[in-house]
Amino acid sequence: QVQFVESGGGVVKPGGSLRLSCAAAPFTFSAYYMSWIRQAPGQGLEWVSYISDSGRAIFYSDSVKGRFTISRDNSKNSLYLEMNSLRFDDTAVYYCVRDRAGRGAFDIWGEGTLVTVSS
Amino acid sequence: QSVLTQPPSVSAAPGQRVTISCSGSDSNIGNNYVSWYQQVPGAAPKLLIYDNDRRPSGIPDRFSGSKFDTSATLGITGLQTGDEADYYCGIWDYSLAHYVFGTGTKVTVL
Repeated sequence: QVQFVESGGGVVKPGGSLRLSCAAAPFTFSAYYMSWIRQAPGQGLEWVSYISDSGRAIFYSDSVKGRFTISRDNSKNSLYLEMNSLRFDDTAVYYCVRDRAGRGAFDIWGEGTLVTVSS
Repeated sequence: QSVLTQPPSVSAAPGQRVTISCSGSDSNIGNNYVSWYQQVPGAAPKLLIYDNDRRPSGIPDRFSGSKFDTSATLGITGLQTGDEADYYCGIWDYSLAHYVFGTGTKVTVL
């Protein structure tokens, strides 16, 4: 059964940094586009970032562009999100998500990892 | 503020049918594939519909999707208590070069 194991969440002060990791198994990770999607407490879903199967195409939401960096290591079946200059409004559960066919249909979701930005 | 607008809530009795609308524009729904997601409280979202009207394996045919012009609709027939959840539409917006989610709709089974 395809699943993701996310790690790296926690409590951080404003302006701080965190690195989220997502380990994927068992599927051909390198064949899929991947995304990070977040959900602030009591709020709706917000797309954060998107990376193509090869890693050559990358997109960010306006709210994180310039602060967050998405990357992947296909040899390790892993997805990452480097988060810098964290703000209070970055507090959310972050989901690692697979795009089933590169057309924006997210078919596999991780359990999510909570990031809390607090002073 | 999302570019995809959904009604905040819909409700119906068990066994009834509900529809959820998702209103967008030419840069998203008008020119791309819509997906729908279900999120029950405390759980990660689940893909219900992709490519406007296709169901992933394991999703019952009580759930259906359609698209016309710049709007999409999710239909749920034979409503069950287990269908109580938040539902989101989602799509890639070419103008923004972003993926966007709808505002979300809470379904309540009376």
